Amino acid sequence: KAGVTQTPRYLIKTRGQQVTLSCSPISGHRSVSWYQQTPGQGLQFLFEYFSETQRNKGNFPGRFSGRQFSNSRSEMNVSTLELGDSALYLCASSVNGEFYNSPLHFGNGTRLTVT
Amino acid sequence: DAKTTQPPSMDCAEGRAANLPCNHSTISGNEYVYWYRQIHSQGPQYIIHGLKNNETNEMASLIITEDRKSSTLILPHATLRDTAVYYCIVRNQGGKLIFGQGTELSVKP
Repeated sequence: KAGVTQTPRYLIKTRGQQVTLSCSPISGHRSVSWYQQTPGQGLQFLFEYFSETQRNKGNFPGRFSGRQFSNSRSEMNVSTLELGDSALYLCASSVNGEFYNSPLHFGNGTRLTVT
Repeated sequence: DAKTTQPPSMDCAEGRAANLPCNHSTISGNEYVYWYRQIHSQGPQYIIHGLKNNETNEMASLIITEDRKSSTLILPHATLRDTAVYYCIVRNQGGKLIFGQGTELSVKP
């Protein structure tokens, strides 16, 4: 079974621009979560989607948004990029993320650099 | 979600068992203990999880104390490729994963 696929692997943007990251979950997985990882803050939860609906949200500004399509693929968008948005963005999928007995499986992330 | 406490770093000799401790003294009855590891520049890799019984899979064993306030991840024969940051996470139903700082395990030849 193919793992979680994230594209692109690397991205360089300038301040003020916007960016869209893509995530394809493991086949059969309906929940997709997004995390931001930085050296200073570690791994932080952004949001979770299930059946095209946002089910959980972390403490990030409204510039961070996402969506999920009917095939469970998900995209994350960051608008008006700031230098502090430079990070590794990780996507994770699970059969049903709400159940505590359903492990999340992560992709290898998109490394975003904002200059 | 309950918080976890892990030592910041540990060393282990190649071929020996690596025992990684985790304290989760505020865990509640329906919360699972999850272990992930992250090798540099890769996404976290799921290792194992459990509720109250000890668990074993092809990667590791998870030992949870009877009072569930602490657990130990055991890598039975550590290899150089097991060098990574190991995260112990307590997760309840509907809960997101909250990662702490983890334990940086260095496996040395």
